Amino acid sequence: SQQGEEDPQALSIQEGENATMNCSYKTSINNLQWYRQNSGRGLVHLILIRSNEREKHSGRLRVTLDTSKKSSSLLITASRAADTASYFCATDAEGYGNKLVFGAGTILRVKS
Amino acid sequence: GAGVSQSPSNKVTEKGKDVELRCDPISGHTALYWYRQRLGQGLEFLIYFQGNSAPDKSGLPSDRFSAERTGESVSTLTIQRTQQEDSAVYLCASSLVPSYDYEQYFGPGTRLTVT
Repeated sequence: SQQGEEDPQALSIQEGENATMNCSYKTSINNLQWYRQNSGRGLVHLILIRSNEREKHSGRLRVTLDTSKKSSSLLITASRAADTASYFCATDAEGYGNKLVFGAGTILRVKS
Repeated sequence: GAGVSQSPSNKVTEKGKDVELRCDPISGHTALYWYRQRLGQGLEFLIYFQGNSAPDKSGLPSDRFSAERTGESVSTLTIQRTQQEDSAVYLCASSLVPSYDYEQYFGPGTRLTVT
């Protein structure tokens, strides 16, 4: 079974609105990463948050991490059509060595 | 500098044939990863090369899959006797250090179609 699972599976919003995606995981982690995948640029790293951090910002992105609930959220503010993509969370996992485990992703569609 | 490159970008092969996929990592990156992504799904880990250490092959789905890497350079993923269920996008990624603490840089992928 997957370490990271995103929800919702798909999200459709209007340009300018905020988009929130969630990721839940099963085992304790050292860090959690978010990646974006679209047809134009492939899979790209967005942000890394460590287990001792609760919130991190990068431009219009805000990531939170709640290790007690084993969950993370990715907020994209003032969304743009170019934000249309699939978003994946990835974590290390106990017994998994130096590898990352990716969730199934959230498909975000931003309508202009 | 140049990113991770993969070739071919698309490959169509007949069931039963062998295929070889190539990945050129970012120069100086000691870790190299192969993933498989089926349509509409997440990334499935296949194999991981970590510098000069033995590769982690724990994700390879069957003995038809193998991969090699020479030093810290090019890697090839070979699929023998391809099956239709092997159809997927195969993604390669590299990172500076073999650790989950570092971001992975992905190539554009090879889309494999087995007919």
